[in-house]
Amino acid sequence: EDQVTQSPEALRLQEGESSSLNCSYTVSGLRGLFWYRQDPGKGPEFLFTLYSAGEEKEKERLKATLTKKESFLHITAPKPEDSATYLCAVQAGSNDYKLSFGAGTTVTVRA
Amino acid sequence: NAGVTQTPKFQVLKTGQSMTLQCAQDMNHNSMYWYRQDPGMGLRLIYYSASEGTTDKGEVPNGYNVSRLNKREFSLRLESAAPSQTSVYFCASGTSGEETQYFGPGTRLLVL
Repeated sequence: EDQVTQSPEALRLQEGESSSLNCSYTVSGLRGLFWYRQDPGKGPEFLFTLYSAGEEKEKERLKATLTKKESFLHITAPKPEDSATYLCAVQAGSNDYKLSFGAGTTVTVRA
Repeated sequence: NAGVTQTPKFQVLKTGQSMTLQCAQDMNHNSMYWYRQDPGMGLRLIYYSASEGTTDKGEVPNGYNVSRLNKREFSLRLESAAPSQTSVYFCASGTSGEETQYFGPGTRLLVL
């Protein structure tokens, strides 16, 4: 069974204070690892897909990296608008593109 | 291009009542999914449809049924609602081969 664990559950940052979120996973044959952003009362919004260890992707102040056991989402010099819940999900190699999600990390950035 | 739309946005039911949650996508995606999201548990897959005419159970299918009406629409039905089905329900769609799933805004369901 695929398992995804995100840490920490919550993260409070001062504006400009860089930090990282962790997503550790156990999956049989990783097809892809996905990061989503979710604002309160809204649906998850796609951020990144990572496919193989060593891969990195960036979008504005966010950078996602992948190893064989975990992924990190680095937030550089965050702004209050980066406050959201960040979800990690994995897709196994042979399961009809189903996603297994972690519980998420809620990030609050104070001005 | 509206993406994935869901109706209703919010619903209150009494135990034992039935209802259908509607989902539609205009991105010509083959696959569609229904998830529920509960505090501290993440998104869990209820049912999915890999293509028009097919449906399969996900992680938590008990108490639910689905219908893939056509390529655009995928509905989720609660035949006899229970308080344990109080949750936020999300529909998603994706193209086989691209893998990325795109989510709707959600339906908040309260069962009393």
